[in-house]
Amino acid sequence: AQRVTQPEKLLSVFKGAPVELKCNYSYSGSPELFWYVQYSRQRLQLLLRHISRESIKGFTADLNKGETSFHLKKPFAQEEDSAMYYCALKGQGAQKLVFGQGTRLTINP
Amino acid sequence: EAGVAQSPRYKIIEKRQSVAFWCNPISGHATLYWYQQILGQGPKLLIQFQNNGVVDDSQLPKDRFSAERLKGVDSTLKIQPAKLEDSAVYLCASSPTQETQYFGPGTRLLVL
Repeated sequence: AQRVTQPEKLLSVFKGAPVELKCNYSYSGSPELFWYVQYSRQRLQLLLRHISRESIKGFTADLNKGETSFHLKKPFAQEEDSAMYYCALKGQGAQKLVFGQGTRLTINP
Repeated sequence: EAGVAQSPRYKIIEKRQSVAFWCNPISGHATLYWYQQILGQGPKLLIQFQNNGVVDDSQLPKDRFSAERLKGVDSTLKIQPAKLEDSAVYLCASSPTQETQYFGPGTRLLVL
């Protein structure tokens, strides 16, 4: 069974501080992992995907197969990073996304 | 390009009533998804269409939910009859292949 766990429902950090949003997954094969973000009053949108290995808006995420994790990191948080963040998994050969419960990130000035 | 369109944006009904949601995907996107997002949870896939064919409806409660995409473009999702636990945001998404999904604004349903 595919499962995505985001252990923190709420995360609050100060502007300029590092931020890490945790994501752990359960899947027996080779998954594709994604981070989606929903800013206030906006649609859910893709932030980044592990196969791209790119940094978007200063965020990075590394797939750690040993720890079955895909944590999202940013060294210096900005106020505009405040949003709801969802980790999602797509199984090998599968098409559907399985989402975690989400983490609401608040950046304090 | 225009994004995924959904209507209505909000709907309040009483239990046992029927409701229908409409989605118009991005032009040219072959794959269309309907998700249910209950408050405090992540989106859960209800049904996935490839053109006008169903790819995955394993999590669709078929005794009360139905969906169609007759011409392979826009789609409707229906609930009949609604239950209190159907209160949620219903999200439609589309993708050109099975890669990045583009989400609509959602329809917020409240069942009283």
